[in-house]
Amino acid sequence: DGGITQSPKYLFRKEGQNVTLSCEQNLNHDAMYWYRQDPGQGLRLIYYSQIVNDFQKGDIAEGYSVSREKKESFPLTVTSAQKNPTAFYLCASSIQGLWNQPQHFGDGTRLSIL
Amino acid sequence: KNEVEQSPQNLTAQEGEFITINCSYSVGISALHWLQQHPGGGIVSLFMLSSGKKKHGRLIATINIQEKHSSLHITASHPRDSAVYICAVKKKSSGDKLTFGTGTRLAVRP
Repeated sequence: DGGITQSPKYLFRKEGQNVTLSCEQNLNHDAMYWYRQDPGQGLRLIYYSQIVNDFQKGDIAEGYSVSREKKESFPLTVTSAQKNPTAFYLCASSIQGLWNQPQHFGDGTRLSIL
Repeated sequence: KNEVEQSPQNLTAQEGEFITINCSYSVGISALHWLQQHPGGGIVSLFMLSSGKKKHGRLIATINIQEKHSSLHITASHPRDSAVYICAVKKKSSGDKLTFGTGTRLAVRP
């Protein structure tokens, strides 16, 4: 079945460490997104990519980096510059340019600080 | 003020009850989504609306573009409906990006 796979499900980061969250999709979608979810807040967009080798900052990109070397993959790196990384991270994808198509979400990665 | 507001924030119902969750927005939109987030965190898209009404099983979603308001109804609620329900809008000015409400946490008691 087609879908989005995020790994790992749980991740722990030490102070000063960079960590990378994986997101893979086999839906043949052009667009991919990373969101951050904090308690009591709506999902906030970190980065998004509309096509391979191109990506744009979302609303809260500081302290994060991404790459889009393959259509299927959109990994997110949480750098040591992100001072409050503890959150639930969700990856999503959609058919680009067709606003009447839904976004498909992965099951998320929960990141905590040791 | 958030561009997307949901009410109520928390809702507890008895099994079998009819449930309504509301979403109001203050911007021009091209589409509105209703999403369901399970206790484990995964999100499933329930509906995408640009006008009128959609029905899937016991779920009904309506939207009133003039009033900038949408409702999600659950008929004959069941404990397995317990989840967080999230409203999200595609603003006309932001292409494919979504703006999310903070969610309504629903608990259905047997």
